Amino acid sequence: NAGVTQTPKFRILKIGQSMTLQCTQDMNHNYMYWYRQDPGMGLKLIYYSVGAGITDKGEVPNGYNVSRSTTEDFPLRLELAAPSQTSVYFCASSYGQSGEQYFGPGTRLTVT
Amino acid sequence: AQSVAQPEDQVNVAEGNPLTVKCTYSVSGNPYLFWYVQYPNRGLQFLLKYITGDNLVKGSYGFEAEFNKSQTSFHLKKPSALVSDSALYFCAAVAGANNLFFGTGTRLTVIP
Repeated sequence: NAGVTQTPKFRILKIGQSMTLQCTQDMNHNYMYWYRQDPGMGLKLIYYSVGAGITDKGEVPNGYNVSRSTTEDFPLRLELAAPSQTSVYFCASSYGQSGEQYFGPGTRLTVT
Repeated sequence: AQSVAQPEDQVNVAEGNPLTVKCTYSVSGNPYLFWYVQYPNRGLQFLLKYITGDNLVKGSYGFEAEFNKSQTSFHLKKPSALVSDSALYFCAAVAGANNLFFGTGTRLTVIP
């Protein structure tokens, strides 16, 4: 039981490039989330999904896109990377909104 | 605006002494309340949650939290701090899949 896995762990992008952050969970959780964590700012919700085929915006969705074709996978797409997207990105999953969230190890992204 | 506040960026406590990490929330409805801990270069790990019922919630590693509805607080406590408790602690309130808020975190340092 691996829990929530994220790839890559680190990435450096040039301005204007695009990339996909991968997230997979093996706990059969219906809810999945993407957050960004900036220093001293806590976590901000980017997108979330309540089940396969259903996604919705969180607090800071601009510049990102997601898809949820399976229960297990919830990739986050960055189009036209900007320096403001430099952050640590965490994927999480839970069983329902009252369930505790299980977090992946994070992806540290730098855009220069 | 809805939010979760952790008024102390840093809490220092001597090993063996009781510790308290404060959290207050301003979230509509009756939110679910959570505490998570983050160790360096790791994702967040669940400590405990309040859904309903007894106001005193017990969690992992000897931590507990007291829910106070009138003060909209959910302070994290431990009777006797360990050096290994040193980490970053986050309080979160969930009132819906797209209505969830994390505090900015409190860095706990336990001094030997």
